[in-house]
Amino acid sequence: QKEVEQNSGPLSVPEGAIASLNCTYSDRGSQSFFWYRQYSGKSPELIMFIYSNGDKEDGRFTAQLNKASQYVSLLIRDSQPSDSATYLCAVNIGGGSEKLVFGKGTKLTVNP
Amino acid sequence: NAGVTQTPKFQVLKTGQSMTLQCAQDMNHNSMYWYRQDPGMGLRLIYYSASEGTTDKGEVPNGYNVSRLNKREFSLRLESAAPSQTSVYFCASETYGLEAFFGQGTRLTVV
Repeated sequence: QKEVEQNSGPLSVPEGAIASLNCTYSDRGSQSFFWYRQYSGKSPELIMFIYSNGDKEDGRFTAQLNKASQYVSLLIRDSQPSDSATYLCAVNIGGGSEKLVFGKGTKLTVNP
Repeated sequence: NAGVTQTPKFQVLKTGQSMTLQCAQDMNHNSMYWYRQDPGMGLRLIYYSASEGTTDKGEVPNGYNVSRLNKREFSLRLESAAPSQTSVYFCASETYGLEAFFGQGTRLTVV
């Protein structure tokens, strides 16, 4: 089982819609969860982090974490064409060899 | 504040040649990483260093070596490049559990 898995997509939504991105992870001891956005040809940049169960909102973005289900998601409300990018889920895997592991990413296209 | 500086940005190698990718960070981060990114594969961890003086293998370490020269610098070496190592390489650094910062990437082509 991969340490971090994402629904591979690609995902296409119309402008103004809600985009939903999902991620599961294998290490029950993980404590830190991140969503990075990567535009084509650019480096990843952090858009959200979450440490506790529940929802965390930042503008149009909401991260959701369920540690019991080992599941983290990102919702983008009122999607804009500028949100078109690849979204990478990342998890700090611990257990004595702390490291940051990424999923394969989900390519999102928001159509005007 | 330069953040994470990664060199070179582009490189073309012939099969069998060697090269070292350099990475330096000025944020006093403990952890540093090397990833490779291939189409549709996300970021795959090659090697990482959780602290100065330690290095560990990631998911795809074969064909690579690393050196954590000091707290600032973490280099990645390809001893004998192969076409399968054609990829975009990213260096990153973080304080564990907080935001990771990335270099600009190195686009490597092995012919």
